[in-house]
Amino acid sequence: EDKVVQSPLSLVVHEGDTVTLNCSYEVTNFRSLLWYKQEKKAPTFLFMLTSSGIEKKSGRLSSILDKKELFSILNITATQTGDSAIYLCAAHDEKLTFGTGTRLTIIP
Amino acid sequence: GAVVSQHPSWVICKSGTSVKIECRSLDFQATTMFWYRQFPKQSLMLMATSNEGSKATYEQGVEKDKFLINHASLTLSTLTVTSAHPEDSSFYICSADHRGLGYGYTFGSGTRLTVV
Repeated sequence: EDKVVQSPLSLVVHEGDTVTLNCSYEVTNFRSLLWYKQEKKAPTFLFMLTSSGIEKKSGRLSSILDKKELFSILNITATQTGDSAIYLCAAHDEKLTFGTGTRLTIIP
Repeated sequence: GAVVSQHPSWVICKSGTSVKIECRSLDFQATTMFWYRQFPKQSLMLMATSNEGSKATYEQGVEKDKFLINHASLTLSTLTVTSAHPEDSSFYICSADHRGLGYGYTFGSGTRLTVV
């Protein structure tokens, strides 16, 4: 059975801190790993990772994939209150299997 | 680009009635759309995969006769919750496969269904 596990389940930090969110996966025919940010409604796309060791960056967010160890991390530097959200990772084979998400709360 | 429009955003219905949720890909053709359900503080659970012009593939435990999915065109997929009950109250989200342009999967804005 395909499985995606995220840790921690929740995280509370102060504005300006750096956070690292973890995602491990086990899927049969892995194709890519996706990260999403979910605030009030539907998730918004952050990154799609297909190759090991290549960091993807978007502003203060970055992510990397390790296909040998079957995990990915999402880093957020200099966090802001607007970063408060649930961060979901999903492993893609023929469909997306989502992790439970990490609820990130940034305290001003 | 890669916008999926989902309607309605929220709906309240009486127990025993049916509710239809629509998802449209506005600027691309979506041969495959996915329907998810999300309970409070839980992750997205895939309900079914719909392919244009063919029957949907349902995940284990999802009642086909209760959650009717139609994907009649390349830009429209619908989910009908039939004979809704309070336990069907949830947040339903569709997504379309748009990996071709590097967007991953594009999600609709979701529908909050409350059955009273």
